[in-house]
Amino acid sequence: NAGVTQTPKFQVLKTGQSMTLQCAQDMNHNSMYWYRQDPGMGLRLIYYSASEGTTDKGEVPNGYNVSRLNKREFSLRLESAAPSQTSVYFCASSLVRAEKLFFGSGTQLSVL
Amino acid sequence: QKEVEQNSGPLSVPEGAIASLNCTYSDRGSQSFFWYRQYSGKSPELIMSIYSNGDKEDGRFTAQLNKASQYVSLLIRDSQPSDSATYLCAVKSSQGNLIFGKGTKLSVKP
Repeated sequence: NAGVTQTPKFQVLKTGQSMTLQCAQDMNHNSMYWYRQDPGMGLRLIYYSASEGTTDKGEVPNGYNVSRLNKREFSLRLESAAPSQTSVYFCASSLVRAEKLFFGSGTQLSVL
Repeated sequence: QKEVEQNSGPLSVPEGAIASLNCTYSDRGSQSFFWYRQYSGKSPELIMSIYSNGDKEDGRFTAQLNKASQYVSLLIRDSQPSDSATYLCAVKSSQGNLIFGKGTKLSVKP
């Protein structure tokens, strides 16, 4: 039972490049989330999907897009990366929205 | 903006002592409260959830909730060096989103 799997674990981008972070869960959870974590700022919600077929903005959505591909998969796309997007990104899932989240292992992203 | 406040620490306790971690929240309509543990370089891991006023115990961990005071705490009894981590308080707001505090770093000294 893998839980929440996100890829890649590390990524270095140049300003303006694009990339997609992938996330998949095998717990049959309904809700999925993307957070970023920065020193001194804590975990901040970028986007979430309360259920398959829906997505909503969180606290810091600018510069990001998401796709809930199916119940298992929720991807995060950076269309034109900026240095301010240097962060650690976590995908998470839960059976009930905003209750008992399970987190993936994280992606450390650096934008130069 | 709903807020969840924690003392950033570091909180340093000797091995075997009780560690007390505190959290306050601003949204009076919040109903669900969680504590996560995050080791350095790792992802957050859920360790406790609490929904009603009072205490909830799970092994060496006790979560305490006082909705009137908008206060949540986590007690760790018989603290071990392996408990050294950052502890994140999370509150489900009345709007249905999970708001995280910035975390308290705990250091347990042998």
